[in-house]
Amino acid sequence: GIQVEQSPPDLILQEGANSTLRCNFSDSVNNLQWFHQNPWGQLINLFYIPSGTKQNGRLSATTVATERYSLLYISSSQTTDSGVYFCAVRAGYALNFGKGTSLLVTP
Amino acid sequence: NAGVTQTPKFQVLKTGQSMTLQCAQDMNHNSMYWYRQDPGMGLRLIYYSASEGTTDKGEVPNGYNVSRLNKREFSLRLESAAPSQTSVYFCASSNSGGYNEQFFGPGTRLTVL
Repeated sequence: GIQVEQSPPDLILQEGANSTLRCNFSDSVNNLQWFHQNPWGQLINLFYIPSGTKQNGRLSATTVATERYSLLYISSSQTTDSGVYFCAVRAGYALNFGKGTSLLVTP
Repeated sequence: NAGVTQTPKFQVLKTGQSMTLQCAQDMNHNSMYWYRQDPGMGLRLIYYSASEGTTDKGEVPNGYNVSRLNKREFSLRLESAAPSQTSVYFCASSNSGGYNEQFFGPGTRLTVL
């Protein structure tokens, strides 16, 4: 199956800092999603982005499908951004998840 | 519009007991999915239903059965629970076809003793 690798695995930021999370995948995909799993375990949809660039407030994402990677940018981070960020790619029916980037934003 | 709902939120079972996890969606989606999440890992697909009346195995189907009751509801059954099935279970749904963003329920935290 498709391999999904996320980096870095862990990240600690001070409030107000910016960060870039990376997702590499091993094969062509027809869907890519970014999720935020909050400390209560809920999976929140951030972006559906098989290609191109999207922005939503302080978050933006870019997927370069031909080079098999996606980037998630978080600007002016807040403590509520803490949690785990997952990249998931779809080939067929299943979403194949990476292991996530665990983000802690400190006051 | 509740999205994807799951019951129960928490459950503790003894080895060998059975139970059914319930999932419902109100987004008129054709496809529904069951995933499990183990500590420190992403989600893995157990079973999916591409459309009403069809079900197929995912990556980790052993020990589980599913029923697509109607377009809205998709249940997951553990016939004889084992400690290895201790996990958090997520149900998801999506449209079929080109735009197929998946939306997830809040999860069921299951412990098998």
